[in-house]
Amino acid sequence: NAGVTQTPKFQVLKTGQSMTLQCAQDMNHNSMYWYRQDPGMGLRLIYYSASEGTTDKGEVPNGYNVSRLNKREFSLRLESAAPSQTSVYFCASSLSGAADYEQYFGPGTRLTVT
Amino acid sequence: QQQVKQSPQSLIVQKGGISIINCAYENTAFDYFPWYQQFPGKGPALLIAIRPDVSEKKEGRFTISFNKSAKQFSLHIMDSQPGDSATYFCAASSSGANSKLTFGKGITLSVRP
Repeated sequence: NAGVTQTPKFQVLKTGQSMTLQCAQDMNHNSMYWYRQDPGMGLRLIYYSASEGTTDKGEVPNGYNVSRLNKREFSLRLESAAPSQTSVYFCASSLSGAADYEQYFGPGTRLTVT
Repeated sequence: QQQVKQSPQSLIVQKGGISIINCAYENTAFDYFPWYQQFPGKGPALLIAIRPDVSEKKEGRFTISFNKSAKQFSLHIMDSQPGDSATYFCAASSSGANSKLTFGKGITLSVRP
């Protein structure tokens, strides 16, 4: 039981390059989330998926797209990376709605855009 | 508009002392208030949570106090230990299948030996 896994752990991109961050959970959770963490800004929600087949924007969705590939996997794509997207990205999952069930976080992906 | 505000921004406590972190919220629809703990290089993990039907919840050395009328809740860490040194986030959410957490900005706690 690995919980929430994220790949890659570290990534350096040049401005304008694209990449996809992968996230998978093995807890049979319905809801999945993508956050970014920046110094002094806390955790900000980018996108979330309340259930398989649905996705919704969070607080800071601009510049990102997501795909809920199946119940286990939720990917985050940067189509044209910008230095402002330098951050630590966390994926999380919960059995259902955030107010009813604990969110479990992955170990994070540290992304630098030069 | 910051819906969940934490204070102080950082905290240094001596070993054995009490650490107190405060959180204030704006949205009266919030009805779930968790605290998450994050160690360097790791993802956050749920520490303790409370709902507004109780004013206090205790788990070991960690206690949440909740004041609904003031729209405030706080985390108290008794007998603070160096191993408690971490970043602490308060968060809030309203109920529902599509509910999502709104996090505070986090505070860094350092417990000196």
